[in-house]
Amino acid sequence: DAGVIQSPRHEVTEMGQEVTLRCKPISGHDYLFWYRQTMMRGLELLIYFNNNVPIDDSGMPEDRFSAKMPNASFSTLKIQPSEPRDSAVYFCASSFQVGTEAFFGQGTRLTVV
Amino acid sequence: GDSVTQMEGPVTLSEEAFLTINCTYTATGYPSLFWYVQYPGEGLQLLLKATKADDKGSNKGFEATYRKETTSFHLEKGSVQVSDSAVYFCALSDRSGGGADGLTFGKGTHLIIQP
Repeated sequence: DAGVIQSPRHEVTEMGQEVTLRCKPISGHDYLFWYRQTMMRGLELLIYFNNNVPIDDSGMPEDRFSAKMPNASFSTLKIQPSEPRDSAVYFCASSFQVGTEAFFGQGTRLTVV
Repeated sequence: GDSVTQMEGPVTLSEEAFLTINCTYTATGYPSLFWYVQYPGEGLQLLLKATKADDKGSNKGFEATYRKETTSFHLEKGSVQVSDSAVYFCALSDRSGGGADGLTFGKGTHLIIQP
Protein backbone atom coordinates (compact mmCIF):
# COMPACT_ATOMS: atom_id res chain seq x y z
CA ASP A 1 0.00 0.00 0.00
CA ALA A 2 1.21 3.51 -0.81
CA GLY A 3 0.23 4.84 2.58
CA VAL A 4 -2.06 7.78 3.28
CA ILE A 5 -2.10 10.10 0.29
CA GLN A 6 -2.93 13.78 0.58
CA SER A 7 -3.31 16.42 -2.08
CA PRO A 8 -2.26 19.03 -2.78
CA ARG A 9 1.06 19.17 -0.92
CA HIS A 10 1.03 22.95 -0.97
CA GLU A 11 -1.81 25.42 -1.40
CA VAL A 12 -1.62 29.17 -1.52
CA THR A 13 -4.90 31.02 -1.71
CA GLU A 14 -6.34 34.43 -1.12
CA MET A 15 -8.48 35.27 1.86
CA GLY A 16 -12.13 34.56 1.18
CA GLN A 17 -11.52 31.76 -1.30
CA GLU A 18 -12.71 28.19 -0.85
CA VAL A 19 -10.06 25.59 -0.17
CA THR A 20 -10.50 21.83 -0.49
CA LEU A 21 -7.98 19.37 0.89
CA ARG A 22 -8.10 15.73 -0.12
CA CYS A 23 -7.13 12.46 1.50
CA LYS A 24 -6.99 8.81 0.52
CA PRO A 25 -6.59 6.56 3.58
CA ILE A 26 -4.88 3.20 3.70
CA SER A 27 -7.14 0.50 2.34
CA GLY A 28 -8.86 -1.47 5.10
CA HIS A 29 -8.49 1.22 7.74
CA ASP A 30 -11.80 2.01 9.41
CA TYR A 31 -10.76 5.28 11.05
CA LEU A 32 -9.80 8.52 9.37
CA PHE A 33 -8.56 11.61 11.21
CA TRP A 34 -7.93 15.20 10.18
CA TYR A 35 -5.32 17.12 12.19
CA ARG A 36 -4.02 20.67 11.98
CA GLN A 37 -0.47 21.59 12.96
CA THR A 38 0.69 25.09 13.86
CA MET A 39 3.65 26.40 15.80
CA MET A 40 1.40 27.98 18.40
CA ARG A 41 -1.06 25.16 19.03
CA GLY A 42 0.84 22.07 17.95
CA LEU A 43 -1.20 19.16 16.60
CA GLU A 44 -4.96 19.50 16.96
CA LEU A 45 -7.53 16.86 16.09
CA LEU A 46 -10.22 18.49 13.96
CA ILE A 47 -12.57 15.62 13.16
CA TYR A 48 -12.57 11.88 12.74
CA PHE A 49 -14.63 9.28 10.92
CA ASN A 50 -15.39 5.65 11.62
CA ASN A 51 -16.57 3.62 8.63
CA ASN A 52 -17.18 6.87 6.72
CA VAL A 53 -19.40 8.32 9.46
CA PRO A 54 -18.27 11.49 11.29
CA ILE A 55 -17.97 10.62 14.97
CA ASP A 56 -16.53 13.70 16.63
CA ASP A 57 -16.17 17.12 15.03
CA SER A 58 -15.71 19.05 18.25
CA GLY A 59 -12.24 20.09 17.13
CA MET A 60 -13.47 21.87 14.02
CA PRO A 61 -12.72 25.51 14.78
CA GLU A 62 -15.68 27.17 13.08
CA ASP A 63 -18.56 26.63 10.73
CA ARG A 64 -16.26 27.66 7.92
CA PHE A 65 -14.71 24.20 8.22
CA SER A 66 -16.48 21.10 6.95
CA ALA A 67 -15.38 17.53 6.22
CA LYS A 68 -16.89 14.68 4.29
CA MET A 69 -16.11 11.06 3.64
CA PRO A 70 -18.32 9.87 0.76
CA ASN A 71 -16.67 6.45 0.64
CA ALA A 72 -14.01 4.37 2.37
CA SER A 73 -11.22 5.59 0.11
CA PHE A 74 -11.73 9.35 0.03
CA SER A 75 -12.22 12.28 2.36
CA THR A 76 -12.21 16.05 1.96
CA LEU A 77 -11.69 18.94 4.33
CA LYS A 78 -13.14 22.20 3.08
CA ILE A 79 -12.64 25.73 4.34
CA GLN A 80 -15.03 28.36 3.05
CA PRO A 81 -14.27 31.21 3.25
CA SER A 82 -10.60 30.89 4.12
CA GLU A 83 -8.82 33.34 6.44
CA PRO A 84 -5.12 34.03 7.07
CA ARG A 85 -5.36 32.40 10.53
CA ASP A 86 -6.21 29.11 8.79
CA SER A 87 -2.63 28.93 7.51
CA ALA A 88 -1.18 25.68 8.84
CA VAL A 89 -0.19 22.17 7.84
CA TYR A 90 -3.19 19.87 7.64
CA PHE A 91 -2.63 16.16 8.12
CA CYS A 92 -4.84 13.24 7.34
CA ALA A 93 -4.26 9.97 9.18
CA SER A 94 -5.90 6.56 9.22
CA SER A 95 -5.88 3.61 11.55
CA PHE A 96 -7.14 0.05 11.49
CA GLN A 97 -8.92 0.18 14.81
CA VAL A 98 -9.22 2.16 18.00
CA GLY A 99 -6.19 2.28 20.26
CA THR A 100 -3.77 1.37 17.49
CA GLU A 101 -1.25 3.60 15.80
CA ALA A 102 -2.35 6.06 13.17
CA PHE A 103 -0.55 6.40 9.85
CA PHE A 104 -0.11 9.93 8.60
CA GLY A 105 -0.03 11.45 5.15
CA GLN A 106 2.63 13.94 4.09
CA GLY A 107 0.35 16.85 4.88
CA THR A 108 -0.94 19.87 2.99
CA ARG A 109 0.75 23.17 3.76
CA LEU A 110 -1.94 25.83 3.43
CA THR A 111 -1.07 29.49 3.18
CA VAL A 112 -3.90 32.03 3.10
CA VAL A 113 -2.78 35.52 2.10
CA GLY B 1 -9.32 15.22 29.84
CA ASP B 2 -6.31 13.38 28.51
CA SER B 3 -3.06 15.26 28.06
CA VAL B 4 0.59 14.71 27.19
CA THR B 5 3.45 16.87 28.42
CA GLN B 6 6.93 16.76 26.92
CA MET B 7 10.00 18.96 26.93
CA GLU B 8 9.74 21.33 23.99
CA GLY B 9 13.35 22.06 23.24
CA PRO B 10 15.13 22.61 21.06
CA VAL B 11 17.41 19.96 22.45
CA THR B 12 20.91 20.20 20.98
CA LEU B 13 23.36 17.33 21.37
CA SER B 14 26.63 16.24 19.85
CA GLU B 15 26.79 13.10 17.75
CA GLU B 16 27.12 9.90 19.84
CA ALA B 17 25.65 11.56 22.94
CA PHE B 18 22.99 9.89 25.07
CA LEU B 19 19.45 11.12 24.47
CA THR B 20 16.50 11.38 26.83
CA ILE B 21 13.28 13.16 25.93
CA ASN B 22 10.84 13.23 28.82
CA CYS B 23 7.14 12.54 28.37
CA THR B 24 4.44 12.35 31.03
CA TYR B 25 0.75 11.85 30.54
CA THR B 26 -2.64 12.23 32.18
CA ALA B 27 -5.37 9.78 31.23
CA THR B 28 -8.59 8.53 32.75
CA GLY B 29 -8.20 4.95 31.57
CA TYR B 30 -5.37 2.69 30.45
CA PRO B 31 -3.88 4.28 27.39
CA SER B 32 -1.62 3.00 24.67
CA LEU B 33 1.48 5.18 24.31
CA PHE B 34 3.38 6.14 21.21
CA TRP B 35 6.40 8.07 20.00
CA TYR B 36 6.22 9.61 16.54
CA VAL B 37 9.02 11.32 14.60
CA GLN B 38 8.61 14.10 12.05
CA TYR B 39 11.42 14.92 9.63
CA PRO B 40 11.40 18.34 7.91
CA GLY B 41 8.64 18.67 5.35
CA GLU B 42 7.20 15.25 6.08
CA GLY B 43 4.32 13.71 7.97
CA LEU B 44 4.55 11.94 11.30
CA GLN B 45 5.96 8.43 11.36
CA LEU B 46 5.43 5.95 14.15
CA LEU B 47 8.73 5.33 15.94
CA LEU B 48 7.64 2.95 18.69
CA LYS B 49 4.71 2.06 20.92
CA ALA B 50 3.69 0.33 24.14
CA THR B 51 0.20 -0.85 24.98
CA LYS B 52 0.38 -1.75 28.67
CA ALA B 53 2.32 -1.01 31.83
CA ASP B 54 5.98 -2.12 31.88
CA ASP B 55 6.00 -2.74 28.13
CA LYS B 56 9.11 -1.50 26.36
CA GLY B 57 8.85 -0.22 22.82
CA SER B 58 11.98 -0.12 20.68
CA ASN B 59 12.97 0.75 17.14
CA LYS B 60 16.09 2.06 15.36
CA GLY B 61 18.03 2.18 18.64
CA PHE B 62 15.32 4.18 20.41
CA GLU B 63 13.57 2.80 23.48
CA ALA B 64 10.76 3.85 25.80
CA THR B 65 9.21 2.03 28.77
CA TYR B 66 5.57 2.46 29.83
CA ARG B 67 5.73 3.47 33.51
CA LYS B 68 2.25 3.51 35.02
CA GLU B 69 3.44 4.45 38.51
CA THR B 70 5.06 7.64 37.24
CA THR B 71 2.72 8.09 34.22
CA SER B 72 5.76 8.45 32.01
CA PHE B 73 7.05 7.20 28.65
CA HIS B 74 10.50 8.74 28.26
CA LEU B 75 12.33 8.27 24.96
CA GLU B 76 16.00 7.21 25.08
CA LYS B 77 18.80 6.43 22.68
CA GLY B 78 22.31 5.49 23.65
CA SER B 79 24.19 7.15 20.79
CA VAL B 80 22.49 9.68 18.54
CA GLN B 81 23.38 10.43 14.93
CA VAL B 82 23.02 13.55 12.83
CA SER B 83 20.24 11.76 10.93
CA ASP B 84 18.18 11.62 14.16
CA SER B 85 17.60 15.38 13.94
CA ALA B 86 13.83 15.79 13.80
CA VAL B 87 10.80 16.66 15.90
CA TYR B 88 9.62 13.92 18.27
CA PHE B 89 6.04 13.65 19.51
CA CYS B 90 4.76 11.66 22.44
CA ALA B 91 1.12 10.58 22.10
CA LEU B 92 -1.53 8.50 23.78
CA SER B 93 -4.74 6.74 22.83
CA ASP B 94 -7.19 6.27 25.68
CA ARG B 95 -10.47 4.92 24.44
CA SER B 96 -10.56 2.53 27.41
CA GLY B 97 -11.33 5.51 29.61
CA GLY B 98 -14.06 6.75 27.37
CA GLY B 99 -11.82 9.24 25.65
CA ALA B 100 -11.85 10.19 22.03
CA ASP B 101 -10.72 7.71 19.45
CA GLY B 102 -8.01 9.98 18.13
CA LEU B 103 -4.48 10.29 19.44
CA THR B 104 -3.63 13.04 21.96
CA PHE B 105 -0.23 14.54 21.18
CA GLY B 106 2.36 16.44 23.14
CA LYS B 107 3.68 19.67 21.59
CA GLY B 108 6.76 18.00 20.17
CA THR B 109 10.47 18.20 20.97
CA HIS B 110 12.84 19.55 18.34
CA LEU B 111 16.07 17.56 18.44
CA ILE B 112 19.22 18.90 16.80
CA ILE B 113 22.30 16.68 16.54
CA GLN B 114 25.56 18.39 15.70
CA PRO B 115 28.45 16.53 14.06
